[in-house]
Amino acid sequence: DTGVSQNPRHKITKRGQNVTFRCDPISEHNRLYWYRQTLGQGPEFLTYFQNEAQLEKSRLLSDRFSAERPKGSFSTLEIQRTEQGDSAMYLCASSLALGGNIQYFGAGTRLSVL
Amino acid sequence: GNSVTQMEGPVTLSEEAFLTINCTYTATGYPSLFWYVQYPGEGLQLLLKATKADDKGSNKGFEATYRKETTSFHLEKGSVQVSDSAVYFCALRTNNNAGNMLTFGGGTRLMVKP
Repeated sequence: DTGVSQNPRHKITKRGQNVTFRCDPISEHNRLYWYRQTLGQGPEFLTYFQNEAQLEKSRLLSDRFSAERPKGSFSTLEIQRTEQGDSAMYLCASSLALGGNIQYFGAGTRLSVL
Repeated sequence: GNSVTQMEGPVTLSEEAFLTINCTYTATGYPSLFWYVQYPGEGLQLLLKATKADDKGSNKGFEATYRKETTSFHLEKGSVQVSDSAVYFCALRTNNNAGNMLTFGGGTRLMVKP
């Protein structure tokens, strides 16, 4: 299967702890996106990479959030000093810049901050 | 700014009933429009898309027509099945930013009863 893969699927942490999520995009997809989805809402854009360059960040991405895509392949999203309001589903998507730029989504990582 | 408004759910239908899920949008420029579907425990899957006014997207018996004059992209299906039970998201993408990120509506849960 060559779909978008996200790990872990679920993460439970205590307030104040740091967490890191990983996303493996579809091979050869040069664009990678992170979105956040809270219960009963649609996904909201967080940040976007083209290859290894982080080109855009939403205002939703506070200083406690950092994302990397060091070699232009997989990406990590780290949240420092987690807060209860960070509890959400974190979705990753990838696309090819050409060919319609259709975004393909992973199953997400569900974060619960206690 | 860009926004998408969907009818609130849940929508509960009997098998073989006709489905309409309303979606209207506000956007700068000329957006592409999408419907994504999210089955329980899975990631968002692209259902159909339309890239310009009067285009009709279709897939798996679902259809939606890009109506520029009413800024709408309503999802329809003539005869729903139990397997169509899922959450449906309307989304738009404008081409006036480098990242082409998606803006989603809040989602509409569809429940189909046998």
